[in-house]
Amino acid sequence: NAGVMQNPRHLVRRRGQEARLRCSPMKGHSHVYWYRQLPEEGLKFMVYLQKENIIDESGMPKERFSAEFPKEGPSILRIQQVVRGDSAAYFCASGGQGTDTQYFGPGTRLTVL
Amino acid sequence: QKEVEQDPGPLSVPEGAIVSLNCTYSNSAFQYFMWYRQYSRKGPELLMYTYSSGNKEDGRFTAQVDKSSKYISLFIRDSQPSDSATYLCATSRTGANNLFFGTGTRLTVIP
Repeated sequence: NAGVMQNPRHLVRRRGQEARLRCSPMKGHSHVYWYRQLPEEGLKFMVYLQKENIIDESGMPKERFSAEFPKEGPSILRIQQVVRGDSAAYFCASGGQGTDTQYFGPGTRLTVL
Repeated sequence: QKEVEQDPGPLSVPEGAIVSLNCTYSNSAFQYFMWYRQYSRKGPELLMYTYSSGNKEDGRFTAQVDKSSKYISLFIRDSQPSDSATYLCATSRTGANNLFFGTGTRLTVIP
């Protein structure tokens, strides 16, 4: 029973490039959540999506960040024109109807040079 | 004021000790309470999940929620070196809402 899958596990980008992070939820789950973990800090909520809908993006930076969860395929978190401050671990979690909690993937560690 | 406050530690205990980890939260609307364990450079792993007040036990782990004082606790009995990790408390208003996390407490169990 596959858990939440994220790829890539490690991503290196130069300042100004684009980063694309992918998340496939657990089988049967239709809710996807993205969190960011900065060094020595706790996880901070970014965005909550269901298939083809953004439910809550209150934690997303206003510029350069976007997320989608298409009808087919994984959820994608996109960061345009990355800056050094974007270096962090990005975690995806999934949940579903009747599930009162969230299960996390292994994370993508983004390093911006 | 942060939604969830957690002592970052670090906390070191000898093998076999009872460990007490604690968080406080500020919003009385929070109804769901979780504890996650995170090993270095890994994703958070769900340990315990509690709805509203009360206790929940699972093996060596006991989670307690006191909504009157907005206090969340995790107890680990007979601690093992494999319990060495960062423990994160989290809470939400509903099961489908985003989670608010504490900063995590780093625990080391010394053999």
